[in-house]
Amino acid sequence: KNQVEQSPQSLIILEGKNCTLQCNYTVSPFSNLRWYKQDTGRGPVSLTIMTFSENTKSNGRYTATLDADTKQSSLHITASQLSDSASYICVVSVWAGNMLTFGGGTRLMVKP
Amino acid sequence: GAVVSQHPSWVICKSGTSVKIECRSLDFQATTMFWYRQFPKQSLMLMATSNEGSKATYEQGVEKDKFLINHASLTLSTLTVTSAHPEDSSFYICSASPGTGPTYEQYFGPGTRLTVT
Repeated sequence: KNQVEQSPQSLIILEGKNCTLQCNYTVSPFSNLRWYKQDTGRGPVSLTIMTFSENTKSNGRYTATLDADTKQSSLHITASQLSDSASYICVVSVWAGNMLTFGGGTRLMVKP
Repeated sequence: GAVVSQHPSWVICKSGTSVKIECRSLDFQATTMFWYRQFPKQSLMLMATSNEGSKATYEQGVEKDKFLINHASLTLSTLTVTSAHPEDSSFYICSASPGTGPTYEQYFGPGTRLTVT
């Protein structure tokens, strides 16, 4: 069964601090892994997308890593800002059709 | 970047009535559109996948007669919740993709908050 698990479920950090979110998956056959940011009451917005051959990808203060051997990914947020408060969702795509498998998300709260 | 809109952004309806939600791709043609439902503090759950001009494919457990999906053009898909009940209250999100296959990005709409009283 294809699954995506994220940790932690929730996280509180102080503004300006860094944090790392984790994603483990058992999706097969793997095509790509995406990280999305979802603000409360809004649709998800894509941060990064990585294929199995990519180890890291950055988007501003967001850096995603992928280890296709261990089937793990992380999202590192540098110098957090209050606007980073949101849910971060790890999504894995299989190599067929458009099917996406969603993780449960990590709810991040950045406090001043 | 590609933009997907939804209308309305929120709606309140009475139990037993029907409500229609529109999803539009504003600057690209969407071969495939998806409808998701999201309950509080949970992740998105795929309800159905639709290709322009074809019948939608529903996920297991989703009643196709209750959630009517129409993908009449390459830029518009609609979800109609028929005979809505309070348990249908949820956040409905659509996404659109310019192609079929895992390499194509899915662009998500802003969501529609449905409350059934």
